[in-house]
Amino acid sequence: GENVEQHPSTLSVQEGDSAVIKCTYSDSASNYFPWYKQELGKRPQLIIDIRSNVGEKKDQRIAVTLNKTAKHFSLHITETQPEDSAVYFCAAGKRALTFGSGTRLQVQP
Amino acid sequence: GAGVSQTPSNKVTEKGKYVELRCDPISGHTALYWYRQSLGQGPEFLIYFQGTGAADDSGLPNDRFFAVRPEGSVSTLKIQRTERGDSAVYLCASSPVAGSPHVGEQFFGPGTRLTVL
Repeated sequence: GENVEQHPSTLSVQEGDSAVIKCTYSDSASNYFPWYKQELGKRPQLIIDIRSNVGEKKDQRIAVTLNKTAKHFSLHITETQPEDSAVYFCAAGKRALTFGSGTRLQVQP
Repeated sequence: GAGVSQTPSNKVTEKGKYVELRCDPISGHTALYWYRQSLGQGPEFLIYFQGTGAADDSGLPNDRFFAVRPEGSVSTLKIQRTERGDSAVYLCASSPVAGSPHVGEQFFGPGTRLTVL
């Protein structure tokens, strides 16, 4: 089955700085790679995703890159704001998703 | 439009009891997924429905867990003889039909927090 590793487990940045979260996956059959943001006590919210036929995707301050050969993908958040503080999960799969263990991002004002 | 809804929001039960958790997907979404999330961890896949049939139930931990989706819309996750280790947030997600530009995107419900005493 799929195995997803996510790093770092915690990340603290100053407001305005960039944040990068990295994930690796094991199953070359996986073709869908979403990222979710989860605030305390709330549901996971899809913030961006990428499919295996694309190498990079950007949506305003958020970007995701995918390296299929190396089986890793990354989330980049630029100009971080305090409201970006949350736990971020990467996931990989075709239908059923395997999630990483999460990164707690703290943006210091 | 309305998102994925789940009931109840909280369920407290005693070890050995039977529980049912309900999920109402986004209208028109043909795919429905159940995950569970333990404290401090990412969601863990349980089962996936395409229409009425279970397309992949490889994540169900044992035969105490069962799920149905008889009319291709609402789904019920059933847990028999609950154990303390079943305590978690059970999340449901739905996904649009093939051919939609958003196919594959999974939208989560608020979850049911199950506590087994």
